[in-house]
Amino acid sequence: QQQVKQSPQSLIVQKGGISIINCAYENTAFDYFPWYQQFPGKGPALLIAIRPDVSEKKEGRFTISFNKSAKQFSLHIMDSQPGDSATYFCAASEGFQKLVFGTGTRLLVSP
Amino acid sequence: GAGVSQSPSNKVTEKGKDVELRCDPISGHTALYWYRQSLGQGLEFLIYFQGNSAPDKSGLPSDRFSAERTGGSVSTLTIQRTQQEDSAVYLCASSPRNGNTIYFGEGSWLTVV
Repeated sequence: QQQVKQSPQSLIVQKGGISIINCAYENTAFDYFPWYQQFPGKGPALLIAIRPDVSEKKEGRFTISFNKSAKQFSLHIMDSQPGDSATYFCAASEGFQKLVFGTGTRLLVSP
Repeated sequence: GAGVSQSPSNKVTEKGKDVELRCDPISGHTALYWYRQSLGQGLEFLIYFQGNSAPDKSGLPSDRFSAERTGGSVSTLTIQRTQQEDSAVYLCASSPRNGNTIYFGEGSWLTVV
């Protein structure tokens, strides 16, 4: 049972453009929604996270938008750079329980 | 060390052999996870340890896979009678008791030939 659905599977964006990755979850008890970034040959690393009491969180060029009623959240990367090319995973958890990950989005930012 | 440490970083083994992968979590972290990532694929949950609670083994793909965690710290993932489809990166992660952020190691790359 996949509890977190992520799309698209891959994404190509021109340098300076906006990258948007979407996730949808099923478990209404989830209360923590992080995004992880993974470069080739490395383990995933936390990028940004949000809790459901806010609808948006911004850190630099990265923004999470959260829609509790729709059970959806998304990652926006503004002014995308070639160095942002990586695989991005959304995730969700209930309390301090195990994280459930989406299937990942491979982002390529073309120069 | 400061981060999650995994060993070996690379392992090539013959089909049918047993392998052991080791994970040393961040000091003080009570939760420990094992995930598997096949080439170009997502993160497949394998097993989760939280303190002294019984581990969540719901992700282990077959009875050839097992894991233990000794003294609430170091963990070993064992794959018996390896098959070619076991070839993947095995990622370990840990998190503190009252924290959601999990910190990943760089993985153990397993190739079964």
